[in-house]
Amino acid sequence: NAGVTQTPKFRILKIGQSMTLQCTQDMNHNYMYWYRQDPGMGLKLIYYSVGAGITDKGEVPNGYNVSRSTTEDFPLRLELAAPSQTSVYFCASRSPDRATEAFFGQGTRLTVV
Amino acid sequence: GDSVTQMEGPVTLSEEAFLTINCTYTATGYPSLFWYVQYPGEGLQLLLKATKADDKGSNKGFEATYRKETTSFHLEKGSVQVSDSAVYFCALSIRDSNYQLIWGAGTKLIIKP
Repeated sequence: NAGVTQTPKFRILKIGQSMTLQCTQDMNHNYMYWYRQDPGMGLKLIYYSVGAGITDKGEVPNGYNVSRSTTEDFPLRLELAAPSQTSVYFCASRSPDRATEAFFGQGTRLTVV
Repeated sequence: GDSVTQMEGPVTLSEEAFLTINCTYTATGYPSLFWYVQYPGEGLQLLLKATKADDKGSNKGFEATYRKETTSFHLEKGSVQVSDSAVYFCALSIRDSNYQLIWGAGTKLIIKP
């Protein structure tokens, strides 16, 4: 009963490095999301996907890229990491029904130094 | 556009006190409403939900009633415990927004023994 799995849990990057945050879900959900949460703040949507092969920008997409080649996986790519990308990143998934809730991963805590 | 407004925190209460966290929304259609909870260092998890007017969601002693006439979904608990200390997020989902989850800013709750 895995749900939404994110890896890694923690990561320290140097300025200018790149990395991919992995997210996989086993609930066959069409919708997947990437959020960032800065300390003491709410959630900001980075990218989302409504199905394999379809992605769209959220409110803070700059500096990130995503792909959705399968229903299960939705990796988030950071290119040229900057200190402003220090945050906790959450992946979530849900089915396309207004009444269903989103399921969240445990988060990835990223620090850029 | 669709939006969710929560009362600002932090909210500090003594153990066994009565809790209310206000949430109001703006939506053009018929949203579903959710409360999520985030314990320290963890991801978000669904606390309760309501999908139509006058529905009451409940879980772990928390309750919230979907009030269409006042566009509200206030979270209440009769007697809080130290273990309820967390950040609480109100959210809505509506078909007209492509089933996006629209999030409130979150309310931090601190319960003192």
